Order: sequence, then structure tokens, then C-alpha cells
Amino acid sequence: GAVVSQHPSRVICKSGTSVKIECRSLDFQATTMFWYRQFPKQSLMLMATSNEGSKATYEQGVEKDKFLINHASLTLSTLTVTSAHPEDSSFYICSARDWKRETQYFGPGTRLLVL
Amino acid sequence: QKEVEQNSGPLSVPEGAIASLNCTYSDRGSQSFFWYRQYSGKSPELIMFIYSNGDKEDGRFTAQLNKASQYVSLLIRDSQPSDSATYLCAVIGDRDDKIIFGKGTRLHILP
Repeated sequence: GAVVSQHPSRVICKSGTSVKIECRSLDFQATTMFWYRQFPKQSLMLMATSNEGSKATYEQGVEKDKFLINHASLTLSTLTVTSAHPEDSSFYICSARDWKRETQYFGPGTRLLVL
Repeated sequence: QKEVEQNSGPLSVPEGAIASLNCTYSDRGSQSFFWYRQYSGKSPELIMFIYSNGDKEDGRFTAQLNKASQYVSLLIRDSQPSDSATYLCAVIGDRDDKIIFGKGTRLHILP
């Protein structure tokens, strides 16, 4: 069964609004979670690494003030896309590191469409 | 710059044949290696992971690791049309907990 969940699975919003996406690890504690974005027919692009209890680490070119990440507990990380624009429309996928099993699992993804 | 290289494909394999997917990585200190499968419009799904040199088998899947050659492969026996997907190779380095993904190989199983 799924070990990482994401909510919502799909969201449509107007330009200028903010959207929050939740990522939860279901049967393990994840001190580290990752946020990816994937455009159609493109490869995964790592946006940021989310560490429980500390600030996220953003990849080059990713605006930290636009993509707010909060990792408040060992099972929950949130990504908030602020003032969304149509070019932010994409497939956002989180993943969580299970250190005990030494592997990384992906959530089912959130498809964002900004009108 | 740590890199993971895969042939983008598409790799076309007849149904029932063996599909062989290859991946090379640049960080010699890498310790953990993963294969994910991604269907169109879906998120990646972990298929296998391997840490030691040699082969690791799980059902129709076999992962092969050669650290000396910095090479990891995935064999799919008795290929099925449902195996048609993009296969992502991923590597975790020795000192860096960041997982590095290849761009993926598109596999197409011909019925």
C-alpha cells in the first residue's frame, strides 16, 4: 500500500491565489522530504529538500519566497505555491526518505492548474 | 557535478522478451541505487533497490550493480505490455543524502 500520501491530488485555481499541498509519510517518520516538479514529457526536477524542524534547502533557480515549505512534524511537509501564475501549472510530487529502510518513496503527486 | 546517465529511448522490446535498461553514475562513492517506474501522468513507483555488487532478483525484475564500472542495470524478464513506462535510475551518494535521478528511459513493450 501507499506509504506517502499527498493532498489534494488535483487543484485548479485562479492566477494570484495561493495553493497549499500536503505530503504525509504514513508508516514511517520522515526527517527529510523532497519536493519535485515535473512538466509534461520532462524529467523530475528537484525543487527543495525539506528538513523537519529546520529551513528547507532550495535548488538553484527555485524562489523560496514563492514556494514556501514547512516541515513541522516527522510525518508532514507542506508546499505552498504563493501568488500562483499559469506558468506554475505542473505536476508536483513529494517524496519522503525512510532512513530505516534506506530508501525513498514518492507520493502520488498533485496536479496544479492555474487559470 | 554528480550525474546519473540513462539512454532516453524509446526502447522497444517484443512481448515476452527480456528488456535491459542501463544506467551509469559519476560519483564513485555512491552507495545506494534505485530503479523507479513511472507511468505517464503518475508519480514514480519504487521497483527495486540494490546496495551490493552483483545481482538482486525480485520476481521478473533483476537489478545488477557493478561499482567498479559505475554501472547499474535493470532486467525485466517476460516483458508485458503493462511494463511500458519510463524507468528512472536513482543514486544516493556516500556523503550526500540527496538522491540523484537520471532522466529516465522510455520502455515500450510491443504486443
